[in-house]
Amino acid sequence: GDSVIQMQGQVTLSENDFLFINCTYSTTGYPTLFWYVQYSGEGPQLLLQVTTANNKGSSRGFEATYDKGTTSFHLQKTSVQEIDSAVYYCAMRDVRDNYAQGLTFGLGTRVSVFP
Amino acid sequence: GALVYQYPRRTICKSGTSMRMECQAVGFQATSVAWYRQSPQKTFELIALSTVNSAIKYEQNFTQEKFPISHPNLSFSSMTVLNAYLEDRGLYLCGARDSYEQYFGPGTRLTVL
Repeated sequence: GDSVIQMQGQVTLSENDFLFINCTYSTTGYPTLFWYVQYSGEGPQLLLQVTTANNKGSSRGFEATYDKGTTSFHLQKTSVQEIDSAVYYCAMRDVRDNYAQGLTFGLGTRVSVFP
Repeated sequence: GALVYQYPRRTICKSGTSMRMECQAVGFQATSVAWYRQSPQKTFELIALSTVNSAIKYEQNFTQEKFPISHPNLSFSSMTVLNAYLEDRGLYLCGARDSYEQYFGPGTRLTVL
């Protein structure tokens, strides 16, 4: 079945550090890939999405490239700030039989940024 | 802008009772609504996907008998957790989608005593 794997459960950084969160996916279809960010007490918010393989998505300094060869969609940011502290979810939505499926989420990575 | 409201935000119910939660889409037409559950220390798990004028599709391990869903129009959906037990506790998330994007509500946090 479909799956999204995030190996890092927690990442602790200082301000201006480089952030890298690993994400790989598995599916037999042609997915759209997402990164969602969830702040404490809120639902997840869309950070970025990429529909086409080998394209890059970017938002608020975050970037992720849809790499079909390695089935990866790693998230990175050059210089994190304290306000980036949140839980980040990699997610995938496949389309089968011309019918959009629900999202498959990874386990999430809690990012804590200290001043 | 597009917003999704969920209510109640938090609720507590006794073991064996039922709890209904609602999802309201504002500013867009929710042609499909997906309900997810985030159990403690786990990720979001899809319960079911509902598309207006189509049958509701439940994922494995979730059934209509346990989680009946109503999606009567393009702005509203509700889901009930019937006969709730401890393993049903968690954050229930509504994701409402139009042609372009999926928008999530803040969730309904269910505690079962």
